[in-house]
Amino acid sequence: NAGVTQTPKFRVLKTGQSMTLLCAQDMNHEYMYWYRQDPGMGLRLIHYSVGEGTTAKGEVPDGYNVSRLKKQNFLLGLESAAPSQTSVYFCASSFDPYSTGLEETQYFGPGTRLLVL
Amino acid sequence: KQEVTQIPAALSVPEGENLVLNCSFTDSAIYNLQWFRQDPGKGLTSLLLIQSSQREQTSGRLNASLDKSSGRSTLYIAASQPGDSATYLCALMDSSYKLIFGSGTRLLVRP
Repeated sequence: NAGVTQTPKFRVLKTGQSMTLLCAQDMNHEYMYWYRQDPGMGLRLIHYSVGEGTTAKGEVPDGYNVSRLKKQNFLLGLESAAPSQTSVYFCASSFDPYSTGLEETQYFGPGTRLLVL
Repeated sequence: KQEVTQIPAALSVPEGENLVLNCSFTDSAIYNLQWFRQDPGKGLTSLLLIQSSQREQTSGRLNASLDKSSGRSTLYIAASQPGDSATYLCALMDSSYKLIFGSGTRLLVRP
């Protein structure tokens, strides 16, 4: 049981390049999330998904796209990277809070450090 | 808009000391509040989760309290150890079932 895994762990991009971050979970969770964490700040929600084939915008969605083609995977895409997207990106997953009585926490991956030059 | 504030931003204490980390929020309409631990270069690990109907939760040397009326939560760490050194994040689940995070308190426990 690997929990939540993220690929890659670290990446350097040039402005304008594109890339995809992969998140995978093996806990059969319905909900998956992408956050970014900047220095001195907490995590901010980028996009999330409430089930296979669904996506929704979070607090800071601009410049990112996501896809949830399989229940266990959640992809975060940067079509044209900008220096402002330099950050640490965390993926998380959880059971459906509606069905679990709000008792379930989110499980986090180890993060992906992205540097955009 | 819900805002979550953690004070202090950083804290350094000698080993063995009892300490309190603070978290405040502006909107009392929350479903639960969680405390997470984050080690450098690592993801987040949930420490304690308090439902909105609860007042506190305990796990080992950790005790978290919740006072919705005053918009405050505290994390009490008893008999601190160097292994407790990490960043502690407070997060609450709002009315749309999303987590709102504070900016964290960076704790250093000196041997």
